[in-house]
Order: sequence, then C-alpha cells, then structure tokens
Amino acid sequence: QLQLQESGPGLVKASETLSLTCSVSGGSISSSTYYWAWIRQPPGKGLEWIGSVHYSGSTYYKSSLKSRLTISVDTSKNQLSLKLSSVTAADTAVYYCARPGVVPAADWRGESWFDPWGQGTQVTVSS
Amino acid sequence: DIVMTQSPDSLAVSLGERATINCKSSQSVLYSSNNKNYLTWYQQKPGQPPKLLIYWASTRESGVPDRFSGSGSGTDFTLTISSLQAEDVALYYCQQYYSTPITFGQGTRLEIK
Repeated sequence: QLQLQESGPGLVKASETLSLTCSVSGGSISSSTYYWAWIRQPPGKGLEWIGSVHYSGSTYYKSSLKSRLTISVDTSKNQLSLKLSSVTAADTAVYYCARPGVVPAADWRGESWFDPWGQGTQVTVSS
Repeated sequence: DIVMTQSPDSLAVSLGERATINCKSSQSVLYSSNNKNYLTWYQQKPGQPPKLLIYWASTRESGVPDRFSGSGSGTDFTLTISSLQAEDVALYYCQQYYSTPITFGQGTRLEIK
C-alpha cells in the first residue's frame, strides 16, 4: 500500500526558506507517469495546489508562487522536495504531498485527482 | 483559472437523512471529446488529509460506501449522501482537473443536526 509522509521543520522565520520532504513508501515515484503534487491548507481555510513534479524532474507551479518555489524529486531516495523562499505569515499552512490518480491516456488533459495524500505537516511562519 | 464554488458553506442534517452538497465551476469541466466531467470529490475529517470519494463526477472510489454518489455535468455538480451516518461528519471539497491550475471549492462543513 502506497504511503506518503511529509517532514520538515514546523517553525520557520519570516523571510527565510521553508524546506519540506515527502517520503514515498510501498511503491516507486517512478511508477507514476503523471505529476505528483504539493498542496497546502492554511489554518481554517481550504485547499490550495501549489506545484507538481514528474519523476523526470519536470515541474510546474502556481503562478503566484513561481518566483519563490522550487520542487524537485530524488528517485534514488523515492522522495519529493519543496523549497519556498522568503516566507511570510501567509505561507503558514499544513503542507501535503499527494499522488496523482491514474487517468487513462485517452482521457488525459494534463491534470488528475489525487490519491493518496500524506498526513500533512504543519508549518508556521514566525515573525 | 477555473473558480469552484460550493454551497452551502455548512450543512446540518439528521442521522439517516439525505445530505446534498453543490459545486459550481466558473466554466465547463465537461470534455466534449470523451463526454467526461473532470470533477472529483474529497472528504476531510479533522486532523486527517483529504480522502478521495468520487472522480469523473460520478465514479465512486473503491471502498467508498454506496450511500455516497456524485452527479451533474458541465458546470453544476452534486455530492449526495443518501442516509447520513455519524462517521460522515467532515469537510467536503470538490476539485476540477479539467485545466491547470487545478482548483478546489472552498469546502462544505457537514454536521449532525
């Protein structure tokens, strides 16, 4: 059974860089031909997709975060990574990684649903 | 970006009664080439990540109880719980995967009346 687990410092100072890792077990990142995602959820708010990465290293990001965000993949460690620079209080959230659902090639439009998700890791930006 | 709007924001339903949550997209998520709606529903319980319930607007994920059903097409969609159980208390989100960026509804909180 595929499992995802996010990890990283729970507290980051404003203006510094947030770094998170998503460790995948029970399956290989390389087994999915689609893009794995990072999604965040600010306290008491809804879900926000922030970026996606393919096992080849190809990425794409939410436009408003593009200048601050770097997502990468390490297939040898079966891990995804996220780095968000110059953080502010608005970046305080639970950060999730998630596996893309299997969309048949004939139906592929570039995106997917997500299943499963990691348990999430809380990140708080302090001033 | 496609804006997803759910209604209501919160809902209280008696045990055993029907619960209905709506999701409206700012543009159609129906792909004419395959006649499929690129719309999914998740359930999120406190302290847990979202759990996939339904994809293609109406296809129930394996293991999801059949009291959960999805319907709708184009821009208007509905998640129905036919007979509310105590364990269904949660937040529910719709998400479109028709185009990048994927976007979510703001969520609907479902409670017991």
